[in-house]
Amino acid sequence: DGGITQSPKYLFRKEGQNVTLSCEQNLNHDAMYWYRQDPGQGLRLIYYSQIVNDFQKGDIAEGYSVSREKKESFPLTVTSAQKNPTAFYLCASSIANQWNTEAFFGQGTRLTVV
Amino acid sequence: GQSLEQPSEVTAVEGAIVQINCTYQTSGFYGLSWYQQHDGGAPTFLSYNALDGLEETGRFSSFLSRSDSYGYLLLQELQMKDSASYFCAVRGTDSSYKLIFGSGTRLLVRP
Repeated sequence: DGGITQSPKYLFRKEGQNVTLSCEQNLNHDAMYWYRQDPGQGLRLIYYSQIVNDFQKGDIAEGYSVSREKKESFPLTVTSAQKNPTAFYLCASSIANQWNTEAFFGQGTRLTVV
Repeated sequence: GQSLEQPSEVTAVEGAIVQINCTYQTSGFYGLSWYQQHDGGAPTFLSYNALDGLEETGRFSSFLSRSDSYGYLLLQELQMKDSASYFCAVRGTDSSYKLIFGSGTRLLVRP
């Protein structure tokens, strides 16, 4: 079955630690995205990538980093520089086309700082 | 840049019809899409309008007026399972493919 997989589902981080969230897709999509969602809030774009070895900052990139070494994978690292990292993180992928707005989302990773 | 505005919350009764509005500001436009998200779950794609008018998909319909920079999602014959958050979204217009979402409308369906 084609889809997009995020892991882990729940993640706990101590203050000052970096953590990496995994996102893998087998939909053959060129575009991938990371969003942050706080309780009762919308989806805010952290980073996005249109093609392998290229990625762009979204609206709230500070304190985060990404890589796109393979088409299938777009991991997100939450660094110690991110002052308030507790949130729900969603990864998505889509065809890289301005006229196609159907994105497929993973089930999310809930990150909590302890 | 782009911005989208939606009401924060809407309440309706089971079996009724509800309309969720979205107004957008963008220098270019490639269509408006709608997503549904249940609490704790992943957003799922509902519909897409590139041209003016109404698109119908079962109990859900989506409308777009490009001249008014406005769209809405219409849910008919509401069911309890329709209680969720609904987001409108547009593509970036800076030669990127980024997908920008509105802040979402929380729909509560009451018996």
